[in-house]
Amino acid sequence: EAGVTQSPTHLIKTRGQQATLRCSPISGHTSVYWYQQALGLGLQFLLWYDEGEERNRGNFPPRFSGRQFPNYSSELNVNALELEDSALYLCASGYSGNTIYFGEGSWLTVV
Amino acid sequence: AQSVTQLDSHVSVSEGTPVLLRCNYSSSYSPSLFWYVQHPNKGLQLLLKYTSAATLVKGINGFEAEFKKSETSFHLTKPSAHMSDAAEYFCVVSDRNQGGKLIFGQGTELSVKP
Repeated sequence: EAGVTQSPTHLIKTRGQQATLRCSPISGHTSVYWYQQALGLGLQFLLWYDEGEERNRGNFPPRFSGRQFPNYSSELNVNALELEDSALYLCASGYSGNTIYFGEGSWLTVV
Repeated sequence: AQSVTQLDSHVSVSEGTPVLLRCNYSSSYSPSLFWYVQHPNKGLQLLLKYTSAATLVKGINGFEAEFKKSETSFHLTKPSAHMSDAAEYFCVVSDRNQGGKLIFGQGTELSVKP
């Protein structure tokens, strides 16, 4: 069975541009979570989607947004990129509050 | 509010010696607790989980953790370290009031010396 898959693996953008990251959950999982892992800041919760709805968001500005599609895949959009947005973005999926499984992450570098 | 505190930011052991990574939790109800491992430039891999069944939980790669309610601890142990165990380890609590959203500790970097 396929795990959580994320794309792209690496992404380089310039300041002010937009970045889009994608995530496919494990089959049967309806929840998708996004986390940011920036150097020195640990793992920060970004967004939680379930059944196509945004259920919760962390302490991030509105330029971080996303959506969940009918097939439960998800994308994370980061607008007006800043240098501090450079980080590993991890997607995770789960079902009904059970164990959450992570993908390998997408490295975003803003130059 | 739920939270976890990892008591050591860095632990160094010699290959073949025991590993102890410490974690204390705070929760207003019976928590779901996890340990995840992150190898360099990789995503997070689930090591083990506690969900109010047996208090001694066995995970992958010889790791285990014991839930101690009286001490609010969930320490991770392994009898004999291997070089491949060198990684970052995260103690995590699940907030079931928020759909199982995970709350991470700050991580413990484990180094294994030959």
